[in-house]
Amino acid sequence: SQQGEEDPQALSIQEGENATMNCSYKTSINNLQWYRQNSGRGLVHLILIRSNEREKHSGRLRVTLDTSKKSSSLLITASRAADTASYFCATDAGGDKIIFGKGTRLHILP
Amino acid sequence: DTGVSQNPRHKITKRGQNVTFRCDPISEHNRLYWYRQTLGQGPEFLTYFQNEAQLEKSRLLSDRFSAERPKGSFSTLEIQRTEQGDSAMYLCASSLSTKADTQYFGPGTRLTVL
Repeated sequence: SQQGEEDPQALSIQEGENATMNCSYKTSINNLQWYRQNSGRGLVHLILIRSNEREKHSGRLRVTLDTSKKSSSLLITASRAADTASYFCATDAGGDKIIFGKGTRLHILP
Repeated sequence: DTGVSQNPRHKITKRGQNVTFRCDPISEHNRLYWYRQTLGQGPEFLTYFQNEAQLEKSRLLSDRFSAERPKGSFSTLEIQRTEQGDSAMYLCASSLSTKADTQYFGPGTRLTVL
């Protein structure tokens, strides 16, 4: 079964706008990660946030983590066409492995 | 290229045939993972290795599936007597850490069973 659940399932925004996607999970975690997958290709690691962190930044990415609500959000600012991809959250609740959600499909409109 | 590589990239086979996929991880990584991904879904964990030891197998991994990592370097995933339901993208990832940390993914092998 999948631990994380991304919301929304799909998102379309205009280039230059900000994109926000959320992830909810069920059990306690040590860390949460976000990955990006371009169409039909492998996954690329974006950012990892540990359970004792509340916010983390990497370039145009901002990730927040609220362990009391068991949720995380990924914000992409000033979106570009190249950001069109599926975004997955992954949690370590499965011990030494990570469990992926179903993903949010982001489409950046020109 | 020092990333994770997978071969072949695409495989088309007939139902009932056996197929084998190969994954070459990043050289210093001791952890290697196999996932399966179907359209519109996230990757589903299949199995992972710590060096040459296979430490965990998912319930998804039926008896027709077997994975090896004989020398703690490359790994192979074999599917025997393939079924149409095996059609999916098979992803390999490696990591340096012994914890559930950042994983580096290969491009995947897309399997189509006719």
